[in-house]
Parts: sequence; C-alpha cells; structure tokens
Amino acid sequence: SAVISQKPSRDICQRGTSLTIQCQVDSQVTMMFWYRQQPGQSLTLIATANQGSEATYESGFVIDKFPISRPNLTFSTLTVSNMSPEDSSIYLCSGAGGRRTEAFFGQGTRLTVV
Amino acid sequence: KNEVEQSPQNLTAQEGEFITINCSYSVGISALHWLQQHPGGGIVSLFMLSSGKKKHGRLIATINIQEKHSSLHITASHPRDSAVYICAVYNNAGNMLTFGGGTRLMVKP
Repeated sequence: SAVISQKPSRDICQRGTSLTIQCQVDSQVTMMFWYRQQPGQSLTLIATANQGSEATYESGFVIDKFPISRPNLTFSTLTVSNMSPEDSSIYLCSGAGGRRTEAFFGQGTRLTVV
Repeated sequence: KNEVEQSPQNLTAQEGEFITINCSYSVGISALHWLQQHPGGGIVSLFMLSSGKKKHGRLIATINIQEKHSSLHITASHPRDSAVYICAVYNNAGNMLTFGGGTRLMVKP
C-alpha cells in the first residue's frame, strides 16, 4: 500500500496560534481524510479532503477552524486555527486508492496547546 | 449505542497466550479493517476483509457478515504486540470509515 509522510510528528503551541500539518503520499490517491483523536478516544472524522475543491466537513467541524487544502492527488494540509487547550489531540491523515480499498494512515501529529 | 463496539476495552496477557479481540457493528458495511496503533500515534492497517478469514503471520481475522461480528486473534502473543487494536468499518458506499473505541493490549514477558 501507499506510504503517507505526515509532519510535524508533534508540537507544543501557544493558545491563539495556528498550526499547519502536512501529509505527502508517495502515490496518487483518490480519497484523503483528516481525523482527530482526543486523549483516550477513538478517531473522529474531521473532513474529507477533495482535490481542487473545498473539503467536506463533518458535523461539528468548520472550515474557519480547520481549513484544509488538497492541491493535487498526493498532498494535503490541515490547519488548526486559533488554538485552545481543547484542541490538544492527535491529528491523523489517511488515504485510500478508491472506494472499499485498504486505508493507510500517516504517523500522526501529537498536538499540545498550552 | 455506538455503531462499532469493541471488547474488551483493555486486555493484559502473558507472553505466549492466545488473544481474541471482538468487534460488533450495527450498520451495513462493505468491508472491515483491523488497525494497530502504537504509542507514538501512527496507525498500521493489519487486515481489510469483507468475508471469511485472513491470516498474516501470527494474526488471524475473521468476519461473520450475518452476525455483524469480527474477531482478531493473535497466536503466541509477544510483548511487541502491545498496542491499541482498532476495528473500523467501511459504509456501504465504501467511502467512509467508522471506528470502534479500540482495545488496549498489553503483553507481559
């Protein structure tokens, strides 16, 4: 399966600032997703990153807080804006070659907001 | 009630033991993933299956579509198997995953 390089792997940020997380895939993929995993919880889908158009956000997540870019089929970014301590989580990107194909994941970004 | 339920939530085993982790789901699915997450946060896909059984090394995954149930078995467990194991199901369209809460496994030497 494809390999996703996600960076940064971890960061400690001041409240009120923004952090951009990048994911680079080593091959073109149809689908890319961004997830949040709060401490002790499972993964929650933030949005589906659409190539060349606006991302599709899940209930409870908005573009102003989590802007996403996907300029091509191998790269996507997620920005966590105006951060507060409640944003402290692991953020993961994921990709899949198509519907019902095996999903693969980035290494995760462990974000701590102080 | 969550759409994907895993049991147990936590599991401690001695090295060499046979381990079973269960996953039940309440929605229609097109496929099911078993994933492994290590403490650093990265996730690795172990299996994707839509019927029957798959085996890779010491890992075996089974699924019963009629009963909406899947199991992950680890034979001859080893401390390096210590991780969180997550069950995730693809919706019928095959374009969205729903995740179980995970099973935290610790294998003691």
